[in-house]
Amino acid sequence: GAVVSQHPSWVICKSGTSVKIECRSLDFQATTMFWYRQFPKQSLMLMATSNEGSKATYEQGVEKDKFLINHASLTLSTLTVTSAHPEDSSFYICSARDGNSGANVLTFGAGSRLTVL
Amino acid sequence: AQSVTQLDSHVSVSEGTPVLLRCNYSSSYSPSLFWYVQHPNKGLQLLLKYTSAATLVKGINGFEAEFKKSETSFHLTKPSAHMSDAAEYFCVVSEPGGGNKLTFGTGTQLKVEL
Repeated sequence: GAVVSQHPSWVICKSGTSVKIECRSLDFQATTMFWYRQFPKQSLMLMATSNEGSKATYEQGVEKDKFLINHASLTLSTLTVTSAHPEDSSFYICSARDGNSGANVLTFGAGSRLTVL
Repeated sequence: AQSVTQLDSHVSVSEGTPVLLRCNYSSSYSPSLFWYVQHPNKGLQLLLKYTSAATLVKGINGFEAEFKKSETSFHLTKPSAHMSDAAEYFCVVSEPGGGNKLTFGTGTQLKVEL
């Protein structure tokens, strides 16, 4: 089945640094990828929709200059948390839809836990 | 606009007894409905999905869910709980033409006791 890989699975960084998280579709082409944020013991919150070859669409309240998304190829989307601060610490999850599949199903990555000191 | 309500934030069952996780949805169109499971510090795994075919949907690991339009419900059930079922479960709705934008419920934490 479809597999989505996220890297790194966890990262610790100092306040003020930037962190890049990668989301790759391993065995299918993903025209659209989604980035979510999950706080402890809470549900997933959609941050943005990443479209291959075009700008990402951000949800209301999500700072696009803070969370940079790039979807340069059909198998890779990246999320960069710029000038990270402790309040950015969270679990970030990506998902992708197989562009060649008619099924309305998303495949999720295993998530990336970010801790900002 | 679409929304989904998971009626129980926590459910506790004994191993070998039935599981019922409740979900009600609101949608302006014929929705697609999903149940995902998340184990600690892991991503989400699809359990099952409803996309306007059979109203009783069978998923992985013995789980199933029934789409009831009259009740706007999509409850998740399993006849006999196993210790490995302990996890967070999310009911999710997606509307046609929504570009696969999913709306998540707040989740139900399932605890399975010996």
